Amino acid sequence: NAGVTQTPKFQVLKTGQSMTLQCAQDMNHEYMSWYRQDPGMGLRLIHYSVGAGITDQGEVPNGYNVSRSTTEDFPLRLLSAAPSQTSVYFCASSEVGTSGGFADTQYFGPGTRLTVL
Amino acid sequence: ILNVEQSPQSLHVQEGDSTNFTCSFPSSNFYALHWYRWETAKSPEALFVMTLNGDEKKKGRISATLNTKEGYSYLYIKGSQPEDSATYLCAFYGETSYDKVIFGPGTSLSVIP
Repeated sequence: NAGVTQTPKFQVLKTGQSMTLQCAQDMNHEYMSWYRQDPGMGLRLIHYSVGAGITDQGEVPNGYNVSRSTTEDFPLRLLSAAPSQTSVYFCASSEVGTSGGFADTQYFGPGTRLTVL
Repeated sequence: ILNVEQSPQSLHVQEGDSTNFTCSFPSSNFYALHWYRWETAKSPEALFVMTLNGDEKKKGRISATLNTKEGYSYLYIKGSQPEDSATYLCAFYGETSYDKVIFGPGTSLSVIP
């Protein structure tokens, strides 16, 4: 299994440009999520999905869109990049909790380092 | 606003030393606490999932305890090795809702050979 994969690994954008960060997992996990990681701060949840066709906002959703057309893929779109979106982005997936809960172990991708000039 | 804190922010120890660090979280509405290990240039990897007050988990030289009543978890590393050098993250799940996970800022551990 490849686990969780992310592309690209690095990206430089100019302010106002748009782009899509790709995330895929091959573990048949229902739950997928996007985080951003900034210096001195913990991972912050941007958007998440509990299954194909279902997405919702996390703590810092502004400026980002997501969709989930398949179980495997969960792309993150930056609509109009801003310097404040310079960050490292992580995608993660997990099973839905076996007891019907939600706090199962998350498996993280390798990250995408994005710089917006 | 819920806050999850980790202390210390960074730690430098000699090879062979034992060490521990803390994750503090709100003591109300506890659901679960995760510990992750995050090596430089890699992605976070799960260490422990802790759900019950008094939980103690162990994996090799690393162990963790949980006190939900007072809102803290300790991570212990016995006989630190250079390969233990990493950032250790805790993630607090305070409600039964997918958007409520809060990660701490991490403790960066450097083990000096």
